[in-house]
Amino acid sequence: AQRVTQPEKLLSVFKGAPVELKCNYSYSGSPELFWYVQYSRQRLQLLLRHISRESIKGFTADLNKGETSFHLKKPFAQEEDSAMYYCALMDSSYKLIFGSGTRLLVRP
Amino acid sequence: NAGVTQTPKFRVLKTGQSMTLLCAQDMNHEYMYWYRQDPGMGLRLIHYSVGEGTTAKGEVPDGYNVSRLKKQNFLLGLESAAPSQTSVYFCASSYTGKAEAFFGQGTRLTVV
Repeated sequence: AQRVTQPEKLLSVFKGAPVELKCNYSYSGSPELFWYVQYSRQRLQLLLRHISRESIKGFTADLNKGETSFHLKKPFAQEEDSAMYYCALMDSSYKLIFGSGTRLLVRP
Repeated sequence: NAGVTQTPKFRVLKTGQSMTLLCAQDMNHEYMYWYRQDPGMGLRLIHYSVGEGTTAKGEVPDGYNVSRLKKQNFLLGLESAAPSQTSVYFCASSYTGKAEAFFGQGTRLTVV
């Protein structure tokens, strides 16, 4: 069965430090992968998706099919990046499955 | 532009009571989803719909029913509420299966 694993519940870094939020998936086909973000008191919203291969707010994510990973990275964290981050997978039947989330805390 | 609207925002139920949560979207989206969010477990898919008149089970469908009689509305029903159904419920919709999903503001449900 398809599954999304985010091993870290909390990631705490200092402002200006690099950030990597880990995401691993299990799926037998070719998945569509996404990162969603939930800022405090805001709705969950799309951050980026692997098919667009774009950088949003300085974040990038590369799909590694060999390692079945889709880690989210940013070279220099900002305080406004503090939020809850969810990795998600869309399967062939259009189920959108989320991981358990990682809370990123960027300290000044 | 309302986007995705969930009704109600908060609710307290007694064990055994029933209720319906309404999700309405005004973006002409085909796909709609219901999730529950619990601490440490992220968002778990309850049921989803790929178009008007269709529904399908997600990861945790037991104890819930859904209906999609109109394209813009996706209803989540609890026939006999249990304390284990205390959670924050989120609805989402997307234009296609691979497009960005837009989320509602959430419904906080407490079953006592």
